[in-house]
Amino acid sequence: EDQVTQSPEALRLQEGESSSLNCSYTVSGLRGLFWYRQDPGKGPEFLFTLYSAGEEKEKERLKATLTKKESFLHITAPKPEDSATYLCAVAGSARQLTFGSGTQLTVLP
Amino acid sequence: DTAVSQTPKYLVTQMGNDKSIKCEQNLGHDTMYWYKQDSKKFLKIMFSYNNKELIINETVPNRFSPKSPDKAHLNLHINSLELGDSAVYFCASSQAERGSYEQYFGPGTRLTVT
Repeated sequence: EDQVTQSPEALRLQEGESSSLNCSYTVSGLRGLFWYRQDPGKGPEFLFTLYSAGEEKEKERLKATLTKKESFLHITAPKPEDSATYLCAVAGSARQLTFGSGTQLTVLP
Repeated sequence: DTAVSQTPKYLVTQMGNDKSIKCEQNLGHDTMYWYKQDSKKFLKIMFSYNNKELIINETVPNRFSPKSPDKAHLNLHINSLELGDSAVYFCASSQAERGSYEQYFGPGTRLTVT
């Protein structure tokens, strides 16, 4: 059974204070690791897909990396508008997404 | 311009009632999904459906049933609603048949059972 564990559960940062979110996973036949952002009262918004160890993707202040056991979402010089819950998910041989419980990020001005 | 839409946004109903939530996607995707997000924000797959097969998560009660009138729609029917069904339900879609598992989500339907 595919499993995804995210840490920390919650993270409070000052504006400009860089940090990383962790996503550890076990999956049979990785078909992709996905990062989503979810704002309160809204659906998850797709950010990145990573397919193989060593792959990296960037979007504005966010950078996602992947190893064989975990993925990191690095946030560089975050702004208050980056506050959201960040969700990690994997697609395995079952071809369905298994989500982690998310990291709730708060960036203080 | 909306990619995945759901109606209604909010649904308040009493125990024992039957209700439906509608979902439409205009992305041309071949696979659609329903998820339940509980109070702890954990997203759990309920169903995935394309024109070939329906995959049901074994933990989903048979009071829940998806119905697809066409490729762009996957509605969720719930019979005999219970208090524990209160949650936010999300519809999503992807091009899974073409090997793309990125899913795009609707805005969610908050169901409250009283």
